[in-house]
Amino acid sequence: GQQLNQSPQSMFIQEGEDVSMNCTSSSIFNTWLWYKQDPGEGPVLLIALYKAGELTSNGRLTAQFGITRKDSFLNISASIPSDVGIYFCAGQLRGGSNYKLTFGKGTLLTVNP
Amino acid sequence: SAVISQKPSRDICQRGTSLTIQCQVDSQVTMMFWYRQQPGQSLTLIATANQGSEATYESGFVIDKFPISRPNLTFSTLTVSNMSPEDSSIYLCSVVPLAGAYTDTQYFGPGTRLTVL
Repeated sequence: GQQLNQSPQSMFIQEGEDVSMNCTSSSIFNTWLWYKQDPGEGPVLLIALYKAGELTSNGRLTAQFGITRKDSFLNISASIPSDVGIYFCAGQLRGGSNYKLTFGKGTLLTVNP
Repeated sequence: SAVISQKPSRDICQRGTSLTIQCQVDSQVTMMFWYRQQPGQSLTLIATANQGSEATYESGFVIDKFPISRPNLTFSTLTVSNMSPEDSSIYLCSVVPLAGAYTDTQYFGPGTRLTVL
C-alpha cells in the first residue's frame, strides 16, 4: 500500500526560529493536507493543497504541493510556544466517493521559550 | 467547519468488556470515518461509516470486533468489543462536511482515549 515518509521525526527549536518539515510518497496524490495534533486532542486541519506546485499560506504557516505530486513541505515562521504539537501530513486521492487519507508518522515539534 | 463531539472523552475499561463510542456532528456531512491512534503512532483508518448500511472495513479490522452504526447524516457509533490491553488507543471520528472551506476533506473529532486494563 501507499506509504508516506515524513521528516524529521522530531524537532527541538528556540522560540522565534523557523521550522521546516516535509513528506514524500512512493505514489501520486492529488491532495496534500497538513494537520496539527495537540496532546489529548484530535488533529486540526491547517492547510489543504489541491494543485501540483501550489503554494498556500495560513498566517505563519506556508505549505507547498510538490510538482511531482509525490511530496509536500510545511514551513512555520517565527515559532512560538503554542506551535508545540505533532504535525501530520496526509495524502488524499480524490475522486468519486474516495476521501481516504494516508498519513505520515508525524513530526513532534518542541519550542523552547 | 463542522463541530464534532465524541463521547466519552476517555474511559478505563476491564479486559473482556465492550465500549461504545459516539460521534455527533452539528451539521449534515457526506462521509464519516473511524480511526485508531495507538500510543505514539499515526492514525490508522478502521472503517468508513455508511449511512443506513454496513460499514466498509479496512484490512485488519472486522465487524465483529469493531461494529459501527450510522443511522443518519450526523451521528455514528463505534463499539470496541471484547477488549484487551492491545486495544488501548485514541479512537477518532472524522467527517467530510457538506459546506465550508474544504468540502472534500476530513475534519476530526476530539478523540476518545481508551485504556484497557
